[in-house]
Amino acid sequence: QVQLQQWGAGLLKPSETLSLTCAVYGGSFSGYYWTWIRQPPGKGLEWIGEINHSGSTNYNPSLKGRVNISLDTSKNQISLKLSSVTAADTAVYYCAREANDYGDFGWFDPWGQGTLVTVSS
Amino acid sequence: EIVLTQSPGTLSLSPGDRATLSCRASQSLSSSYLAWYQQKPGQAPRLLIYGASSRATGIPDRFSGSGSGTDFTLFTLTISRLEPEDFAVYYCQQYGSSPRTFGQGTKVETK
Repeated sequence: QVQLQQWGAGLLKPSETLSLTCAVYGGSFSGYYWTWIRQPPGKGLEWIGEINHSGSTNYNPSLKGRVNISLDTSKNQISLKLSSVTAADTAVYYCAREANDYGDFGWFDPWGQGTLVTVSS
Repeated sequence: EIVLTQSPGTLSLSPGDRATLSCRASQSLSSSYLAWYQQKPGQAPRLLIYGASSRATGIPDRFSGSGSGTDFTLFTLTISRLEPEDFAVYYCQQYGSSPRTFGQGTKVETK
């Protein structure tokens, strides 16, 4: 059974770079897209972007230019970096596996436990 | 970007009641490219339904999903008989196009 465990700095100052890592345990790393999703406190979910085992990435245009997702296949880990953060980037950040049966895109399952990142001066 | 609008915003029901949640897409998803998630406070979302009507592994059969018509814009999640553990926030998510988007959520609360 695949499990995702994530970690990273929880408190940042404006203009700093958010950095999170997600490790994949118990399942195949290849053949899937691995995704980051965020949720501001008390609000809904926003898809940030994704990467597959070959390093191919797709990003949400709303964040493009600030976001970078990378992977370390030797460790089965994916990483998220978001630059020039502001208070609007305060959110719980989740990693998740994207699965599909047909079509180009899919649903998210399972999810990591989430990491609260707060941006405050 | 496809916008998903969920209704109602809040559903006040009692255990044993039937819950009907709707999710409308701003444009066709082209197929049944819709998933539903349940989220409880302090927890990550949990996948309930994918492909509009397929239950995820381990999801009880009181949860069912459907799509209306052939335009792939209106979808419904039904909980046939609410159990105490079903009171939560429910989100729909489309994967017909990128960026993937979510609805704003429907909170199912105890009446």
